[in-house]
Amino acid sequence: AQSVTQLGSHVSVSEGALVLLRCNYSSSVPPYLFWYVQYPNQGLQLLLKYTSAATLVKGINGFEAEFKKSETSFHLTKPSAHMSDAAEYFCAVSDGVSGGYNKLIFGAGTRLAVHP
Amino acid sequence: EPEVTQTPSHQVTQMGQEVILRCVPISNHLYFYWYRQILGQKVEFLVSFYNNEISEKSEIFDDQFSVERPDGSNFTLKIRSTKLEDSAMYFCASSQAARNTDTQYFGPGTRLTVL
Repeated sequence: AQSVTQLGSHVSVSEGALVLLRCNYSSSVPPYLFWYVQYPNQGLQLLLKYTSAATLVKGINGFEAEFKKSETSFHLTKPSAHMSDAAEYFCAVSDGVSGGYNKLIFGAGTRLAVHP
Repeated sequence: EPEVTQTPSHQVTQMGQEVILRCVPISNHLYFYWYRQILGQKVEFLVSFYNNEISEKSEIFDDQFSVERPDGSNFTLKIRSTKLEDSAMYFCASSQAARNTDTQYFGPGTRLTVL
């Protein structure tokens, strides 16, 4: 069965610093991976997704993630943090056969704090 | 931009009472989902729904839970007799298709508090 592990439930960075949020996956089949962000009092919004087309995936708001099969990782990065990036970030893997009915398996989430 | 909406944003109920959580998925989407997040825990899949049928459900989704698409726009989750442990944030999601790569769009959630 697929699963994802997010290392670090809380990450704190200074404004302008690099953001690195870690996600490792476990999957018996080629994984399809997603990063979602949740701002306070809002729903989950897709940041980016890996669909095997390219290992480096660019998303919204300057975020990107690199799929590394050898490390079973899909870490999320942003070169320069902004105060508005403060939110909770979820890594997820798609658990469904192609053409079947999909469901997402989520990690525990990482709360990102950005301080001046 | 189209979005998934959910009502109410917060529901407080007494243990043993029935609750209905409502969702309006994105209009051209065909696949619908409910997830929940107990405070401090992971977001967990509950159920997926397509063509007026449950297509998959988790172990959590027992006989106390049911889903329905009563009309062309709403998608509901009913909990027949709420327990304290049902207290959680419930998220509705929808997608156009159900391939592994299809994006699920989430609503803002309903916070259910069972007293």
